[in-house]
Amino acid sequence: EVQLVESGGALVQPGGSLRLSCAASGFVFNSYAMSWVRQPPGKGLEWVAGIPDSAANTYYADSVKGRFIISRDDSENTLFLQMNSLRAEDTAIYYCAKEVGKIGVPLFDYWGQGTPVTVSS
Amino acid sequence: EIVLTQSPGTLSLSPGERATLSCRASQSVKNNYLAWYQQKPDQAPRLLFYGASSRATGTPVRFSGSGSGTDFTLTISRLEPEDFAVYYCQQYGDTPTTFGQGTRLEIK
Repeated sequence: EVQLVESGGALVQPGGSLRLSCAASGFVFNSYAMSWVRQPPGKGLEWVAGIPDSAANTYYADSVKGRFIISRDDSENTLFLQMNSLRAEDTAIYYCAKEVGKIGVPLFDYWGQGTPVTVSS
Repeated sequence: EIVLTQSPGTLSLSPGERATLSCRASQSVKNNYLAWYQQKPDQAPRLLFYGASSRATGTPVRFSGSGSGTDFTLTISRLEPEDFAVYYCQQYGDTPTTFGQGTRLEIK
């Protein structure tokens, strides 16, 4: 059974940093691209960042480019999102999502339950 | 980026009725790479359809997806109580991938 378990969400002040983790199991982690998708309170879904199976490149939404870094540790079957220079508009539930392939087709067949991030003073 | 507009914003229907949800793209969706997700309160989204009309594993047959180019539809033939949720469309043929704002399907 595929499982994605996010952690690391917290209340943080504007300008602060946070590192999210996503522990994966039930599939061959290093064979799939992964993404982070967020959902602000009461709002819709926004893709944030993606990383292919090889981690050769990383991809970001314009809204987070230069502030967030996605990475993966295939030895630990874990996906990360380093979030810097946080803003109030980054407040959201952050979901880890498995893509159906290795790269280039961000279709998400499994999602974690999400971890909440609140940016507020 | 491709903007997806879903309509209606909220759909109020009774169990047993037919639901029709629309998703319109600001430009043609490459290869009809259009997906539908269902999200229930305090749950993660669940993939229902991909490629506009291909049913994901576990999607009941009362659900169907159709459309091409810029106009796509999710139809639920006879609503069951567990179908009341928010539905999102997503295009994954162009970068960045984008989602519609969602249609809330509520019990009338």
